[in-house]
Amino acid sequence: DAEITQSPRHKITETGRQVTLACHQTWNHNNMFWYRQDLGHGLRLIHYSYGVQDTNKGEVSDGYSVSRSNTEDLPLTLESAASSQTSVYFCATSKGLAGQETQYFGPGTRLLVL
Amino acid sequence: AQKVTQAQTEISVVEKEDVTLDCVYETRDTTYYLFWYKQPPSGELVFLIRRNSFDEQNEISGRYSWNFQKSTSSFNFTITASQVVDSAVYFCALWETSGSRLTFGEGTQLTVNP
Repeated sequence: DAEITQSPRHKITETGRQVTLACHQTWNHNNMFWYRQDLGHGLRLIHYSYGVQDTNKGEVSDGYSVSRSNTEDLPLTLESAASSQTSVYFCATSKGLAGQETQYFGPGTRLLVL
Repeated sequence: AQKVTQAQTEISVVEKEDVTLDCVYETRDTTYYLFWYKQPPSGELVFLIRRNSFDEQNEISGRYSWNFQKSTSSFNFTITASQVVDSAVYFCALWETSGSRLTFGEGTQLTVNP
């Protein structure tokens, strides 16, 4: 069955370290998204991609970067982790040429920055 | 102003009661999409429904029903004869063509007590 996987599922890191969260999908969807979920804010878009070599900034992109070298993967990198980036991170994918199709979410990664 | 407002932060009901979760949205686009997602205590995000702005028909799926009213910019979600397994956080979301992003409300925590 097609799926979205995220790894690691839990991560503890220290302030200032570089961290990469992986997202892998076997849906063969063009579109991939990264969100963070914090109490009181719902889900907020960090970065998104509509295809290979395409990346775009979302609402809360500062301190994060992504790259899309193939259809299946969109890793999210925290360049220098900060305590404010402690959150739950969700990857999502959708089919089609833009983003209005239904987004399906991965299981999430809990990140704690000490 | 928030684009998606879920005014009910928490709702608590007793099993078998009907419950309605409110969602009010704001957009200037004529073409847009509305979604509901469920996040059970296990943390994953589960897609429930997608509705485009040109389809105002109400939808019923088992115990779930959705009432879309463009005149009041609302897309409310009703659970009939609630069950303990319905306990979750429910998110309403809006996709605007102009913004090219999915904007989530802050969610409503529904607790169904036995």
